[in-house]
Amino acid sequence: LAKTTQPISMDSYEGQEVNITCSHNNIATNDYITWYQQFPSQGPRFIIQGYKTKVTNEVASLFIPADRKSSTLSLPRVSLSDTAVYYCLVGARGGTGRRALTFGSGTRLQVQP
Amino acid sequence: EPEVTQTPSHQVTQMGQEVILRCVPISNHLYFYWYRQILGQKVEFLVSFYNNEISEKSEIFDDQFSVERPDGSNFTLKIRSTKLEDSAMYFCASSELPTGLPDYGYTFGSGTRLTVV
Repeated sequence: LAKTTQPISMDSYEGQEVNITCSHNNIATNDYITWYQQFPSQGPRFIIQGYKTKVTNEVASLFIPADRKSSTLSLPRVSLSDTAVYYCLVGARGGTGRRALTFGSGTRLQVQP
Repeated sequence: EPEVTQTPSHQVTQMGQEVILRCVPISNHLYFYWYRQILGQKVEFLVSFYNNEISEKSEIFDDQFSVERPDGSNFTLKIRSTKLEDSAMYFCASSELPTGLPDYGYTFGSGTRLTVV
């Protein structure tokens, strides 16, 4: 499994755009990049996944450069409720691969008023 | 939006007792999982289950643990003789729609907080 590296924590203010970058230098050809969000005392929640270029949904955007060695999760106009831990995962078949997910320590995002 | 339901939300048990954690995965998902998260630590994989058998398990999932899908809807995790270090949040998840449908990753439940005293 490709190892991922992401910042331990980030701070932001309400209304700002937040970009969280994840490095995955050893990503394999058939690996997808998936981001999960976890609030305290809750299970992780799927946010977005992609393979290359840009993916956008109602929650976030995911930017993946051509070499796929990194990815950036972009949260537009964050609110206090976006305070959570964000995990970047890399694996086959959109992050499931019918294999175990390996969570790192994630990025703890704190949004201030 | 479909949900993975876990019961109970919190369970306190004495060391050495058996506990069963229950989960109702999303009905048309094919794969089922248990993860745990010790307070302040990472989410850790325990076991995956497919076609009525374990497909993968971690080192954590030793002989004290077992999983079962007793009927068409429930998925359970049993810990035979709990230890203090089993205290954690236990998350059930399901994934993998039938072939040809979009894959939106895992869906996790809200967890069961297990406290062993």
